[in-house]
Amino acid sequence: AQSVTQLDSQVPVFEEAPVELRCNYSSSVSVYLFWYVQYPNQGLQLLLKYLSGSTLVESINGFEAEFNKSQTSFHLRKPSVHISDTAEYFCAVSLKTSYDKVIFGPGTSLSVIP
Amino acid sequence: GAVVSQHPSWVICKSGTSVKIECRSLDFQATTMFWYRQFPKQSLMLMATSNEGSKATYEQGVEKDKFLINHASLTLSTLTVTSAHPEDSSFYICSARGNSVSGETQYFGPGTRLLVL
Repeated sequence: AQSVTQLDSQVPVFEEAPVELRCNYSSSVSVYLFWYVQYPNQGLQLLLKYLSGSTLVESINGFEAEFNKSQTSFHLRKPSVHISDTAEYFCAVSLKTSYDKVIFGPGTSLSVIP
Repeated sequence: GAVVSQHPSWVICKSGTSVKIECRSLDFQATTMFWYRQFPKQSLMLMATSNEGSKATYEQGVEKDKFLINHASLTLSTLTVTSAHPEDSSFYICSARGNSVSGETQYFGPGTRLLVL
């Protein structure tokens, strides 16, 4: 079975400071990896995903995540956060086959302090 | 592209009534749709997976007679909460995936907040 761990439930950080949200997963087979963001009272938005190829993936708003197979990690980073980045962030995995479920981590609440 | 909508966004109902929530893929055909439930400050819990034209597959612990799912077309799935009770109050989120978009990616609707009085 697959599982996703997000060790930090809450991460407060000052505006313009860097941030890293940690994600580790366990799976006996190859998986796709995702980061989703959820703003208050809204659904989830896909932030970025790793399918194959380059282990470093980037989003359009400055976030990046690096797939590390040996450490089974997919940490999310941003060099300088903005107030608007305050949200809940979910790491997720799915199997590389059709009709598979997405397994979500428990989420990390990022609070950017002005 | 890959937009998923839900209707309604908010619903308040009396205990004992049934509530229907719609999930639509607006610009792609969703061969598979998923329904999730999210409690405050918690992650998403998958309730069921539905493929167009076939019966939904429910996760363990989810009552299929309580949460009726219909996926009658490639762009529409509905979740009906039958005889709703206050403990059914939650945030319900659907997602969709299809072969015409990145098939490995689920695209999520904005969610429906249900409050049962």
